[in-house]
Amino acid sequence: AQSVTQLGSHVSVSEGALVLLRCNYSSSVPPYLFWYVQYPNQGLQLLLKYTSAATLVKGINGFEAEFKKSETSFHLTKPSAHMSDAAEYFCAVSNTGFQKLVFGTGTRLLVSP
Amino acid sequence: GAVVSQHPSRVICKSGTSVKIECRSLDFQATTMFWYRQFPKKSLMLMATSNEGSKATYEQGVEKDKFLINHASLTLSTLTVTSAHPEDSSFYICSASRGGISNTGELFFGEGSRLTVL
Repeated sequence: AQSVTQLGSHVSVSEGALVLLRCNYSSSVPPYLFWYVQYPNQGLQLLLKYTSAATLVKGINGFEAEFKKSETSFHLTKPSAHMSDAAEYFCAVSNTGFQKLVFGTGTRLLVSP
Repeated sequence: GAVVSQHPSRVICKSGTSVKIECRSLDFQATTMFWYRQFPKKSLMLMATSNEGSKATYEQGVEKDKFLINHASLTLSTLTVTSAHPEDSSFYICSASRGGISNTGELFFGEGSRLTVL
């Protein structure tokens, strides 16, 4: 069975600071990994995905994530936080591509001026 | 990007009544749609996979007679919560996958529907 663990239900950063959202996964087969962002009253939007190509994946809005098999991690980073980055972020895993995603519990990113 | 819309965004109903939530793909044909339930401070839980023209496939533990899913066309799937009770109160989210040669597999999510059962 697959699972995702997101450490920290809330992460607070100052505007301009590094953003680091943690995600560890469990999968018996090579996984597909995803990060989604959810703004208030909106649906989930795909930030980036790992599909066994490059281990460093670049996404939208300046976010990137690195797949580390030895650590079973797929942490999301952004060098400099912006106020507009405040949202809920979900890490997800699948062994069938986009289908049947298993989501983590989400991390709310708070950005202060 | 592709647009998926849900309606209603919020609904309040009395215990024992049934509620229908619609999920529409506005600018593409969706051969497959997924329904999720999101509890407060919890992750999204996949409830069922809906394929156009066939019966939905429910995840383990999801009552198919309680949560009726219909995918009658390539742009519309509906979730009906029958005989709703307060424990059914939740945030329900749908997602859709494109069909045909444009299918990258990517999922597009609706904005969610918050159900409150009194």
